[in-house]
Amino acid sequence: DAKTTQPPSMDCAEGRAANLPCNHSTISGNEYVYWYRQIHSQGPQYIIHGLKNNETNEMASLIITEDRKSSTLILPHATLRDTAVYYCIVNAGGTSYGKLTFGQGTILTVHP
Amino acid sequence: EAQVTQNPRYLITVTGKKLTVTCSQNMNHEYMSWYRQDPGLGLRQIYYSMNVEVTDKGDVPEGYKVSRKEKRNFPLILESPSPNQTSLYFCASSLYTSNQPQHFGDGTRLSIL
Repeated sequence: DAKTTQPPSMDCAEGRAANLPCNHSTISGNEYVYWYRQIHSQGPQYIIHGLKNNETNEMASLIITEDRKSSTLILPHATLRDTAVYYCIVNAGGTSYGKLTFGQGTILTVHP
Repeated sequence: EAQVTQNPRYLITVTGKKLTVTCSQNMNHEYMSWYRQDPGLGLRQIYYSMNVEVTDKGDVPEGYKVSRKEKRNFPLILESPSPNQTSLYFCASSLYTSNQPQHFGDGTRLSIL
């Protein structure tokens, strides 16, 4: 699976959009970009994933650059409960036997 | 409610005393997996199962066993626990392995003295 690079930490004001970047310059054509988050020591929570098109769900939006070498997770209106570690993972699905390789992630702190 | 349930949530035990951490999912998922999380090392996969009676090693399988006799259950067995297995453990499941989001349990914190 391709390696990802994320900033170690970011801050965001409550109610503002949080934009979390991820670089994955060695991504292969069959690899998806996934985002998970982990609040304190709870189990990681799936947020969103995509291949090349931008995606949106009730939690967030995922913007993938045209060359697929980077992406941005957008939380449109961050709340205090969004404070967590956010992981960007690239994964080829079946060929990696479902294993998710978690890096160090980005610690997002949402402040009042 | 769709969920992955792990038990126990916390356990303190002693070296060499066999223990089992249970994992159950109610989503009819084919794929299940165990991870351990240690400070500075992130989450590492221990074992995974692609379906009933199909299991395979992940990155750190030493000292662990698993079984998949039923689709919903995937217990993690430590036959002779040692202090280096003190960790936070997570079970996860997904419908298939291919590009499906994984659902994680709430974790089991094991301390082996």
